[in-house]
Amino acid sequence: QSVLTQPPSVSGAPGQRVTISCTGSSSNIGAGYDVHWYQQLPGTAPKLLIYGNSNRPSGVPDRFSGSKSGTSASLAITGLQAEDEADYYCQSYDSSLSAPCVFGTGTKVTVL
Amino acid sequence: EVQLVESGGGLVQPGGSLRLSCAASGFTFSSYWMSWVRQAPGKGLEWVANIKQDGSEKYYVDSVKGRFTISRDNAKNSLYLQMNSLRAEDTAVYYCASSGWYPHDAFDIWGQGTMVTVSS
Repeated sequence: QSVLTQPPSVSGAPGQRVTISCTGSSSNIGAGYDVHWYQQLPGTAPKLLIYGNSNRPSGVPDRFSGSKSGTSASLAITGLQAEDEADYYCQSYDSSLSAPCVFGTGTKVTVL
Repeated sequence: EVQLVESGGGLVQPGGSLRLSCAASGFTFSSYWMSWVRQAPGKGLEWVANIKQDGSEKYYVDSVKGRFTISRDNAKNSLYLQMNSLRAEDTAVYYCASSGWYPHDAFDIWGQGTMVTVSS
């Protein structure tokens, strides 16, 4: 059972803005640990999308943005495109667990 | 080119063993924490284990403690996962990933994954 909760699915039309929430607790996101986001296209390995809450690696379009507040974080995709249809995962660190690295439950983004 | 390439997956019977390998190239392997992450068919990502740059610290998810062992050989730029007493629920694609200077850094480099199937 993951300690980071995401909505199972979100959808939007091309050009729209969608957001994905990642809800944690005082032992992970709320403790100040960074949140990272990954995109997984069908049949491929995950790819780092956002690191350190809001930073984009080189090559990631600025349509993708991240934020963090309190015990939650969010990923926003603006100007949704067909190629954005994928699974998205948040990830953080949890000080209460003996297995400190934790992923979110994952969110499927569908472009209508 | 920065790259991680896993190998060693396959079909194994319950109770059996398997050793996964991950070959790194294009970056200073010995400078970074390394992890194994798995994904069961149709399921989400699950972090399995990680290891410090010099191998002095190792952490595991509870479900694999006592059965899996992570190790590394910096001279060979390689990461390993020894999996013993395998169970059906260990069936998954196993990815190796680099996570930077600190264990809570992002996984910025991923391999393509290797499939492990535990079945009789």
